[in-house]
Amino acid sequence: GQQLNQSPQSMFIQEGEDVSMNCTSSSIFNTWLWYKQDPGEGPVLLIALYKAGELTSNGRLTAQFGITRKDSFLNISASIPSDVGIYFCAGLSGGSNYKLTFGKGTLLTVNP
Amino acid sequence: NAGVTQTPKFQVLKTGQSMTLQCAQDMNHNSMYWYRQDPGMGLRLIYYSASEGTTDKGEVPNGYNVSRLNKREFSLRLESAAPSQTSVYFCASSEARDRGHQPQHFGDGTRLSIL
Repeated sequence: GQQLNQSPQSMFIQEGEDVSMNCTSSSIFNTWLWYKQDPGEGPVLLIALYKAGELTSNGRLTAQFGITRKDSFLNISASIPSDVGIYFCAGLSGGSNYKLTFGKGTLLTVNP
Repeated sequence: NAGVTQTPKFQVLKTGQSMTLQCAQDMNHNSMYWYRQDPGMGLRLIYYSASEGTTDKGEVPNGYNVSRLNKREFSLRLESAAPSQTSVYFCASSEARDRGHQPQHFGDGTRLSIL
């Protein structure tokens, strides 16, 4: 099946630093989604990307849909302690409008 | 705004017992999903229901059954629980957009332990 390679697996940064994480695949995706999961809760949608090359921001978060449609990245600027959590990328391919493929997540820890 | 509500939040079962996990959404979404999340594995799709009256297998359907009771509710049943089914289960829902692109909205999960 399709796979998303998400990196890094974990990050430990100081408050105020910028963060970058990405997802890559050998398959083409038509939609890229970025979710954040806090402990004990379900994933919450951060950003949705629908077109190759699209760059979208949500506050301090910026995500891009790669031109090749095989990758996406998420940047967080000026990190704060509440940014702690697991960040997941997910993609929808042309083969299915319903089956999201998830990356394995990036665990972000922010040191105050 | 409840969104996606899952019950129960926690459950412990013995091997061989059966159980139904409940999910309801109040966003009038057509599509609903069940995932399991295991450490280091991300989320894996068990079953989904594209619309009321339809269900389809996902990536890991073995050992599970589902029922789309109505547009709001989608349940997941374990007929004979096994320790390998110890996991956190998430329900999600979504609405079709142009060209089928659709962000999924998740509940807070059911933490299931099977002894």
